[in-house]
Amino acid sequence: SAVISQKPSRDICQRGTSLTIQCQVDSQVTMMFWYRQQPGQSLTLIATANQGSEATYESGFVIDKFPISRPNLTFSTLTVSNMSPEDSSIYLCSVGPRGSNEKLFFGSGTQLSVL
Amino acid sequence: AQTVTQSQPEMSVQEAETVTLSCTYDTSESNYYLFWYKQPPSRQMILVIRQEAYKQQNATENRFSVNFQKAAKSFSLKISDSQLGDTAMYFCAFMGHNAGNMLTFGGGTRLMVKP
Repeated sequence: SAVISQKPSRDICQRGTSLTIQCQVDSQVTMMFWYRQQPGQSLTLIATANQGSEATYESGFVIDKFPISRPNLTFSTLTVSNMSPEDSSIYLCSVGPRGSNEKLFFGSGTQLSVL
Repeated sequence: AQTVTQSQPEMSVQEAETVTLSCTYDTSESNYYLFWYKQPPSRQMILVIRQEAYKQQNATENRFSVNFQKAAKSFSLKISDSQLGDTAMYFCAFMGHNAGNMLTFGGGTRLMVKP
């Protein structure tokens, strides 16, 4: 399995500001993903973080709102830009380790509240 | 596109009894993977059990087992000898063989284990 450190664990932010969430893995991983979990809802994939190239975004999510970086095989960031109360959610990082046999592991999530 | 449906938003079970959570999915693919994840109040997504579609044998992990009916596109989770620590949200998830580790989640079932 992979050990995933996600920071911050929670934050309360003002409308119009931005927050960057970090995801650090203890081993090199092929795939890294960012999910959003709105209150009382299931998980929705935001984007796939590609190492060395631009992230691949799912329908309904755009780079200007959720810029993603992946500078190497163990680290990624997700920024939630120009936040509004509708962005209040849990954001989760997920990784697929090499040789994981299609197992995905998740970070502990970032609980974001926007006032 | 794949869809995953969990028809039971909430369930409860007495401690030490058995409970079954339902999941159905829709896909045109013949080779894929199915998962059950547990999310306790800590927000951590924990992999409970995994099934490969090409395997006829149902997966088991200690007290957790699945009933995989490929023709019916059904993938239910049975929890035996329920424990208080099993109280959590449970998500059924689908991953296509060529999906690059991307998961599609069901809406979740909230399970309460009562003493």
